[in-house]
Amino acid sequence: KAGVTQTPRYLIKTRGQQVTLSCSPISGHRSVSWYQQTPGQGLQFLFEYFSETQRNKGNFPGRFSGRQFSNSRSEMNVSTLELGDSALYLCASGTGMGNTIYFGEGSWLTVV
Amino acid sequence: EDQVTQSPEALRLQEGESSSLNCSYTVSGLRGLFWYRQDPGKGPEFLFTLYSAGEEKEKERLKATLTKKESFLHITAPKPEDSATYLCAGIGGYQKVTFGTGTKLQVIP
Repeated sequence: KAGVTQTPRYLIKTRGQQVTLSCSPISGHRSVSWYQQTPGQGLQFLFEYFSETQRNKGNFPGRFSGRQFSNSRSEMNVSTLELGDSALYLCASGTGMGNTIYFGEGSWLTVV
Repeated sequence: EDQVTQSPEALRLQEGESSSLNCSYTVSGLRGLFWYRQDPGKGPEFLFTLYSAGEEKEKERLKATLTKKESFLHITAPKPEDSATYLCAGIGGYQKVTFGTGTKLQVIP
């Protein structure tokens, strides 16, 4: 059974640009959640989608957005990038029923 | 607001020296408590899910327990390959997961 797949693994962007990250969940999982991980802040919850609907949202500015497609694949977008957006962005998938969530390897974003 | 607090922040053990990691939680309507292991530069790897107070789960040298306010990850006779950051997280309603900041474990040969 394939795990959670995130692309791209590494990317470098310039301040002011935007970026789109992709996540393919484990087959059969309908929930996808996104997290930002930085050394100082740990894992911070961004948002969670279930069957194409955003169910939960963390405390991030509107520059951070996401969506989920009918096949459960999800994308997150960050517009007007700032240096502080440099982080590891992690995607996790689950059944959406309060059970275990499984993580991908993450996308490393560096903003210069 | 949901909170998960892990202690200690860092732990250094000699190979074979058993110890415990602590996770205190305040999660409204807790549905489950997760433990993950994370190696540098990688995504968290699932270890255990505990659903109710009194529950215990084991995997190799690791044993996780749950009370109404805390969870413990016991490491028995650790080896250098157990060195990693261990993350605890609580899940409340609708898949909202709150993570602790982790315990960085170093096991010295």
